[in-house]
Amino acid sequence: QQKVQQSPESLIVPEGGMASLNCTSSDRNVDYFWWYRQHSGKSPKMLMSIFSNGEKEEGRFTVHLNKASLHTSLHIRDSQPSDSALYLCAATSGGNYKPTFGKGTSLVVHP
Amino acid sequence: EAAVTQSPRNKVAVTGGKVTLSCNQTNNHNNMYWYRQDTGHGLRLIHYSYGAGSTEKGDIPDGYKASRPSQENFSLILELATPSQTSVYFCASGELGGRLSEQYFGPGTRLTVL
Repeated sequence: QQKVQQSPESLIVPEGGMASLNCTSSDRNVDYFWWYRQHSGKSPKMLMSIFSNGEKEEGRFTVHLNKASLHTSLHIRDSQPSDSALYLCAATSGGNYKPTFGKGTSLVVHP
Repeated sequence: EAAVTQSPRNKVAVTGGKVTLSCNQTNNHNNMYWYRQDTGHGLRLIHYSYGAGSTEKGDIPDGYKASRPSQENFSLILELATPSQTSVYFCASGELGGRLSEQYFGPGTRLTVL
């Protein structure tokens, strides 16, 4: 059974700063990674997905993927207090559509 | 706009009772999922479905059954509820893979089993 590890567990960054979050799968057959954001008391919302090595950018969010190391990272530039949330990483492997989630990184952006 | 709805939003049940959580999606997605979220565990997959009539076990299916009578509806059934099943339950629909990769979550159901 695939395991997804996220680090750090919690992160505090100043407003306007860069937040960097990490995620690693235990399964060498990993094929997709997804990043979600969950504000307190709300449901998760998908931010970005990535399946090819390299980088993908959408606005202030950039995702990197290195499949050889089974590792993805999410970078948020110019962080805003509204970015304060739980960030969840999920992965699928072996061609199935059964995503496994990590425990998340709690991000706090202080003004 | 993509939408997933869940009912009820809050539920208090007694130990040994039967609980049914309902989920409806208007996204025309083939795949639907039931997760529970507990502090320290993140989101854990209970059951999922590839389409009407299909249900598959997720990572923690014990004590739960699922039913997918139509493309739009996916239910989670606790035949004999236990206090350990107290949690927040999320339903989701999605297409994960290929050029189209999206997953939408419902608002969640907070279940308390006394």
